[in-house]
Amino acid sequence: DAKTTQPPSMDCAEGRAANLPCNHSTISGNEYVYWYRQIHSQGPQYIIHGLKNNETNEMASLIITEDRKSSTLILPHATLRDTAVYYCIVRVSDSWGKLQFGAGTQVVVTP
Amino acid sequence: DGGITQSPKYLFRKEGQNVTLSCEQNLNHDAMYWYRQDPGQGLRLIYYSQIVNDFQKGDIAEGYSVSREKKESFPLTVTSAQKNPTAFYLCASSIRGNGANVLTFGAGSRLTVL
Repeated sequence: DAKTTQPPSMDCAEGRAANLPCNHSTISGNEYVYWYRQIHSQGPQYIIHGLKNNETNEMASLIITEDRKSSTLILPHATLRDTAVYYCIVRVSDSWGKLQFGAGTQVVVTP
Repeated sequence: DGGITQSPKYLFRKEGQNVTLSCEQNLNHDAMYWYRQDPGQGLRLIYYSQIVNDFQKGDIAEGYSVSREKKESFPLTVTSAQKNPTAFYLCASSIRGNGANVLTFGAGSRLTVL
């Protein structure tokens, strides 16, 4: 699996967009980018995933660069409940869910 | 509502005792997983199971055991051989094949060894 690099922490103001970067320069052509988040002392929650094209769902948007070496998770209007650790994971889609969770990015949304 | 139920939420154990953590899912998922999380760290895979009566070791299986007698259930036993068992334990499940990386997690069980 490709290795990912995320900043250890970032702050965001409530109501503003939160842009979370992830570098995955060694990503292979068949590897997807997955995002999860973990609110303190809870189980992680799946957010979104994508291969090449930008993706959007009710929780967030995922922007993947054309060379696929980096991506950005966008929370369009951050709320206090979005305070969590966000994990970026790269893996082939048809593999078993043996996901490697790194340290992630601690996002703190402030009023 | 479909989901994963882990119990107990908090558990205290004396050194030298085995303890079993329960994980039940009603999502009709084939695959189930156990992860361990230490403070400030990411998750590490202990065991996973793709079908009933079959399971595989993850990255840190030593000192742990599992069973998969029913599709819905994947209990984890933390044995006395686990040298540092105090941690947050998370159970997850997913479908097989394409989409297997979209995991649904339980709320976790926090084990403290006294």
